[in-house]
Amino acid sequence: GAVVSQHPSRVICKSGTSVKIECRSLDFQATTMFWYRQFPKKSLMLMATSNEGSKATYEQGVEKDKFLINHASLTLSTLTVTSAHPEDSSFYICSARDGSTNYNEQFFGPGTRLTVL
Amino acid sequence: TQLLEQSPQFLSIQEGENLTVYCNSSSVFSSLQWYRQEPGEGPVLLVTVVTGGEVKKLKRLTFQFGDARKDSSLHITAAQPGDTGLYLCAGEDTGNQFYFGTGTSLTVIP
Repeated sequence: GAVVSQHPSRVICKSGTSVKIECRSLDFQATTMFWYRQFPKKSLMLMATSNEGSKATYEQGVEKDKFLINHASLTLSTLTVTSAHPEDSSFYICSARDGSTNYNEQFFGPGTRLTVL
Repeated sequence: TQLLEQSPQFLSIQEGENLTVYCNSSSVFSSLQWYRQEPGEGPVLLVTVVTGGEVKKLKRLTFQFGDARKDSSLHITAAQPGDTGLYLCAGEDTGNQFYFGTGTSLTVIP
C-alpha cells in the first residue's frame, strides 16, 4: 500500500513554456500533499504544502505565481511551473501524507526530472 | 534554519564494512523517519520511530531514537553495494511540521 505516482517522470521544455506535473495517491486518500525540489546529492527542499480544497501554503522564497499548485481531490495534486527558465531545471518530488496511519508518514512519488532549455 | 543535521554528509566504504549515520537536532520530535533514496527516484520509507530510546531492526539496518527524542542513528552491518544511496532522516515536531535532515550520501564499493 501507500503508493504515490508522479507524471511525467522526465520533461524537457523550452524556456518560457509552462509544465504541469501530476501527483497521485493510488491506494489511499491524501488530505495533505507536499512538493519538494531537490538538487543532486542534496536533501529535499520543501516548496509548498497542499491541502485538498484549499490554497497551498508556500515556503519562504518560493514564488506562488510561478509554481502553481492545485489540490482538487483527495488523490491528486498538480504543480505547474509557469514560464519556465533554465534555473528551474531540477528534480521535483511530491509526497502524500496518509492520515489513516498512526504516525502521519509521508510517502513519496518517484520524482520528475525537469530540464528547461 | 536546518533543524536536523546529518553526519557524515558523504561516506564511501568497502563492501562488508559497518557504518553509522547520525541525525542530530536541538529540537524534540514526536516521530522520526528514515528514508533511502536512489538516484532518479523518490525517497522510500525505511522506518518510523516514536518512543525515546526505541531501537528497530530491519535486516542489517538498526535504527535508534535518542532518549530525549532529539536525535537518531542508523547503523548498517556488513554493507553491500545495494545499500548505496542517499539516506535521509525526517522528523515531525509536536506541531505536525515535518523537517528533513541534510542527507548522507553512501557509496558501498564492491
